[in-house]
Amino acid sequence: DGGITQSPKYLFRKEGQNVTLSCEQNLNHDAMYWYRQDPGQGLRLIYYSQIVNDFQKGDIAEGYSVSREKKESFPLTVTSAQKNPTAFYLCASRTQGNGGYTFGSGTRLTVV
Amino acid sequence: QKEVEQNSGPLSVPEGAIASLNCTYSDRGSQSFFWYRQYSGKSPELIMSIYSNGDKEDGRFTAQLNKASQYVSLLIRDSQPSDSATYLCAVSPGGFKTIFGAGTRLFVKA
Repeated sequence: DGGITQSPKYLFRKEGQNVTLSCEQNLNHDAMYWYRQDPGQGLRLIYYSQIVNDFQKGDIAEGYSVSREKKESFPLTVTSAQKNPTAFYLCASRTQGNGGYTFGSGTRLTVV
Repeated sequence: QKEVEQNSGPLSVPEGAIASLNCTYSDRGSQSFFWYRQYSGKSPELIMSIYSNGDKEDGRFTAQLNKASQYVSLLIRDSQPSDSATYLCAVSPGGFKTIFGAGTRLFVKA
């Protein structure tokens, strides 16, 4: 079945540590996105990529980095520069155009 | 600042009733409108998309769009306890970005 796979489901980060969240899709979608969700708030865009080897900052990119070396993969690194990383991270994809998103199951990141 | 506003709720309706969820947006140039359902602890799931003024029906769900009033709504007929979730309104002003509202929590009482 086609879909988006995010891993791990839960992740714990120590202070000063970089962690990488995985996102893989087999939907043949061109565009991929990373969102962050905090309790009581809407989804906020971190980074997005329209094609391989190209990506753009979203509204809250500081402290995060991404790569898009393959169409299927769009990993997100949460760096030590991100001071408040505890949140639910969602990866999404869609075809080009104005359709809706398909979301992965999410990664819940907690700072310990 | 482009915004999407929703009443946070909770909205409580009895089983079998019609649930009405509302959303307003600030960017008049918005072109695409979506409703996502998100169960507690899960990721959002697309349930409706609408692109032109009027109503769009899909099963028990009806999306309504009024661009002049910058208003989009979702009606859920014959509400079931399994419909209890947070409903996210999302608006795309064009290009590759989408702006999400904070969501309305819906409780359907059996």
